[in-house]
Amino acid sequence: KAGVTQTPRYLIKTRGQQVTLSCSPISGHRSVSWYQQTPGQGLQFLFEYFSETQRNKGNFPGRFSGRQFSNSRSEMNVSTLELGDSALYLCASSLLGLAGVEQFFGPGTRLTVL
Amino acid sequence: QQQVKQSPQSLIVQKGGIPIINCAYENTAFDYFPWYQQFPGKGPALLIAIRPDVSEKKEGRFTISFNKSAKQFSLHIMDSQPGDSATYFCAASYESGNTGKLIFGQGTTLQVKP
Repeated sequence: KAGVTQTPRYLIKTRGQQVTLSCSPISGHRSVSWYQQTPGQGLQFLFEYFSETQRNKGNFPGRFSGRQFSNSRSEMNVSTLELGDSALYLCASSLLGLAGVEQFFGPGTRLTVL
Repeated sequence: QQQVKQSPQSLIVQKGGIPIINCAYENTAFDYFPWYQQFPGKGPALLIAIRPDVSEKKEGRFTISFNKSAKQFSLHIMDSQPGDSATYFCAASYESGNTGKLIFGQGTTLQVKP
C-alpha cells in the first residue's frame, strides 16, 4: 500500500512569491491535515479537510489556504511569502480524520524562503 | 489551554538505558494522547497512544504512563537501542470531537549511544 506522497520535496522561493504544495493521501483515506514544522515552534496544525470540506483551521494568517479535491488529494497555498514561512510542511492522511484513528504523515516539503 | 508541554528538549542515554520523556497538558477535554517518532528526512510515525481511562499501556519496548489527576503522561523506552535515536513528539487530541487535529509537544531529540 503506497504511503502519503508530497510534492515537491524541496522548494526555494523568494519573499513575496507564492507557493503551492501538493499531498496525495493513502488510497481510501478521506481526511488530509497539514502541519508546519519549525525548530522554534515545533509541529503546528494548519488545517484539516474531510471530503473536500475544511473541517478545522489552525491559528495561521489568511495567507495560508488549502483545498481538497474529489479524489482526496490536497493542496496548500501560501501567498506573499515571508522569511518566517521557511519550514517543513507535513501532510497527514487518515481514513476518517478522527482522533483515535491513526494519521499517516508524508515525508514533507521543505520550503526555504530567501 | 491548547498547549502540550514536553521535556526534556534533548536526551542522551547509553544502549540499554531507559529514557523517559514527559508531557503535561492543561485542557481536560483532551481524551487521546499519541506519541510520534520522527527520523531525519521522514514524517512522524505513530508509536503508541493512550486514552485517559488507562494508567499504563505497553507495546513492545515502549510504555506510556498516564496520570489523569496530574494531567501528565510520559513515554518510557525499555532497553533502548541506537536505532531508537530519533525525535519523539507527544500529542493530544479530542477523540470525542469531530476532528483529527493534533496538538503536539515541542519534541525531544533522543540519542542512544552504543
